[in-house]
Amino acid sequence: KAGVTQTPRYLIKTRGQQVTLSCSPISGHRSVSWYQQTPGQGLQFLFEYFSETQRNKGNFPGRFSGRQFSNSRSEMNVSTLELGDSALYLCASSLVGEPYNEQFFGPGTRLTVL
Amino acid sequence: DAKTTQPPSMDCAEGRAANLPCNHSTISGNEYVYWYRQIHSQGPQYIIHGLKNNETNEMASLIITEDRKSSTLILPHATLRDTAVYYCIVRVEDSNYQLIWGAGTKLIIKP
Repeated sequence: KAGVTQTPRYLIKTRGQQVTLSCSPISGHRSVSWYQQTPGQGLQFLFEYFSETQRNKGNFPGRFSGRQFSNSRSEMNVSTLELGDSALYLCASSLVGEPYNEQFFGPGTRLTVL
Repeated sequence: DAKTTQPPSMDCAEGRAANLPCNHSTISGNEYVYWYRQIHSQGPQYIIHGLKNNETNEMASLIITEDRKSSTLILPHATLRDTAVYYCIVRVEDSNYQLIWGAGTKLIIKP
C-alpha cells in the first residue's frame, strides 16, 4: 500500500507570494491533518479535515487555509507569505480520524520564503 | 503548550535497551499517551500508544505508571537506525483530534 505523498517536496517563494501544497493520503484514509515544523516551535498543528470538512483548527492566522476533496486528497494554501512561514509542512492521514488512531505522515514539503 | 516533559537528549549503546522517560503529571483520566519518532529529514512515525495498561508491539513497549503521571518507552534492542527524535504526546482533552507536540528527546544510538 502506498504511503502518504506530498508535493512538491521543496519550494522556494518570496515574501508576499502565495503557495499551495498538496497531500495524497493512504488509500482508504479519510482524515488528513496538516502540521508546520520549525526548529524554534517544533511541530504545530494547523488543521484537520475529514470527509471534506474542517473538523479542527490550530492557532494559525487566516492566511493559512486548506481544503479536502471527495477523494480525500487535501491541499493547504498560504497567502501573503512571510519569512517566518519557512518551515517543513507535514501532512498525516489516518483511517477515521479518531484520536487513538495511528497517524501516517508524509515526507513533508520544505518551504523556503526569501 | 505541550502537556509532556522529556529530557532533551539521551545516549544508548547499540544492542542495549533504550529507556525514554516522559512526564505527564497533568494528564486526565481519558487521555491517551502516544509515542512517535522522527528520523532526520523524514516525517514522524507512530510507535505506540496507551491509556492505563502497559502496551507492547513489534517496535517497543510502553510502561505507564499506576498514577499515570509518567511513562517510559522501551526499545528492547536499540540499533543505529533507532537514532531519532522521540516524541511523547498527550492529547488535550478539549482539542478534538489535535495532538500537542513537545520538543521530544533526541536519542543517539552509539556503536
